[in-house]
Amino acid sequence: SQQGEEDPQALSIQEGENATMNCSYKTSINNLQWYRQNSGRGLVHLILIRSNEREKHSGRLRVTLDTSKKSSSLLITASRAADTASYFCATPKETSHSRLTFGEGTQLTVNP
Amino acid sequence: DAMVIQNPRYQVTQFGKPVTLSCSQTLNHNVMYWYQQKSSQAPKLLFHYYDKDFNNEADTPDNFQSRRPNTSFCFLDIRSPGLGDAAMYLCATSQHQETQYFGPGTRLLVL
Repeated sequence: SQQGEEDPQALSIQEGENATMNCSYKTSINNLQWYRQNSGRGLVHLILIRSNEREKHSGRLRVTLDTSKKSSSLLITASRAADTASYFCATPKETSHSRLTFGEGTQLTVNP
Repeated sequence: DAMVIQNPRYQVTQFGKPVTLSCSQTLNHNVMYWYQQKSSQAPKLLFHYYDKDFNNEADTPDNFQSRRPNTSFCFLDIRSPGLGDAAMYLCATSQHQETQYFGPGTRLLVL
């Protein structure tokens, strides 16, 4: 199965609520990245967490990484309608760190 | 200030008619990537250039080719587009093998 699998596939919440998305991966990594994609647009890098880090914050984003479980989570606090997008985790391929494998993504809908 | 630019944003071609998509960057990054993304799916890497070195993914069809004439520009050539090649094509760049910077994408429609 695929490196970088995410759940849930889709998440619908109300504005002001928190959104949590999870990502699992299979091989050893030196970093894990989260990207956001608005409908019909390119991806935007959100945050990179290194394998020796357990938690990282950026504004309303909080990312955790558990290398023993090969999993990561992205938490968006106090969500806004503008956070509606697809969120992808990505991990470098073992054989070439230039290349990323993207998860299938979580479609987040934040209702006003 | 656009950093990764893709042209055109929308491209319509006919079945079997060659098409070229272009990507340019102002970041001076040494790595450039082409991804194919179909609806509600993850981006799928087609190939990438590390400087002038071309790296093809094992499952990228021969129908897809790429050129990188200089650091700033990279092209995706689809020699004989089929209906299954209709997708969003994303160009990205990176330096030091970490964060990738994506262009807005070109949506390809094959009639």
